[in-house]
Amino acid sequence: QQQVKQSPQSLIVQKGGISIINCAYENTAFDYFPWYQQFPGKGPALLIAIRPDVSEKKEGRFTISFNKSAKQFSLHIMDSQPGDSATYFCAASGETSGSWLTFGEGTQLTVNP
Amino acid sequence: EAGVVQSPRYKIIEKKQPVAFWCNPISGHNTLYWYRQNLGQGPELLIRYENEEAVDDSQLPKDRFSAERLKGVDSTLKIQPAELGDSAVYLCASSLIGGAGDGELFFGEGSRLTVL
Repeated sequence: QQQVKQSPQSLIVQKGGISIINCAYENTAFDYFPWYQQFPGKGPALLIAIRPDVSEKKEGRFTISFNKSAKQFSLHIMDSQPGDSATYFCAASGETSGSWLTFGEGTQLTVNP
Repeated sequence: EAGVVQSPRYKIIEKKQPVAFWCNPISGHNTLYWYRQNLGQGPELLIRYENEEAVDDSQLPKDRFSAERLKGVDSTLKIQPAELGDSAVYLCASSLIGGAGDGELFFGEGSRLTVL
């Protein structure tokens, strides 16, 4: 059951540009929405997370925008750098829907120098 | 502080052979997860432990997969017999307490299984 849908599958951005990755979820019981970053040969690592009581959260160059009514959230990477090239996963979880993370299918981001 | 440690990193086996993966979580982390990540996809939960108790195992294919977490610390995931479709990266993760919404999951580097 695909509960978190992520797009695009791949994204190519020039250095200094803005990278935008979108996710949509189905389960209204979800109440925690993290983004994980994964480099080849490594496990995913938490990048930034948000709860539905706020519409936006910013940490450095990374921002999550959250739209509860549309059941969508997105990751914005400002001033994208070649070192940001990785696979990004959105995820969701909720205490009443199973306390584990359900991941999207991932977006492979390439930032060209 | 040491992260989540998994072994082996790579394993190649013939179909119908057994295989086992080992995970040592971050010290003090009560919750341990096993995820499976197929090529080009996101991780999918297999099983979650709170200490030594399996609290979420509905995703684990119990006909061939088994897991244990003795003494509530390290854990072993076993596949017997392995099938071609089991080729994937098996990720172990741990968190300090509670469910995923309570905080960060720390992942190991994974065990890449190839079934020939």
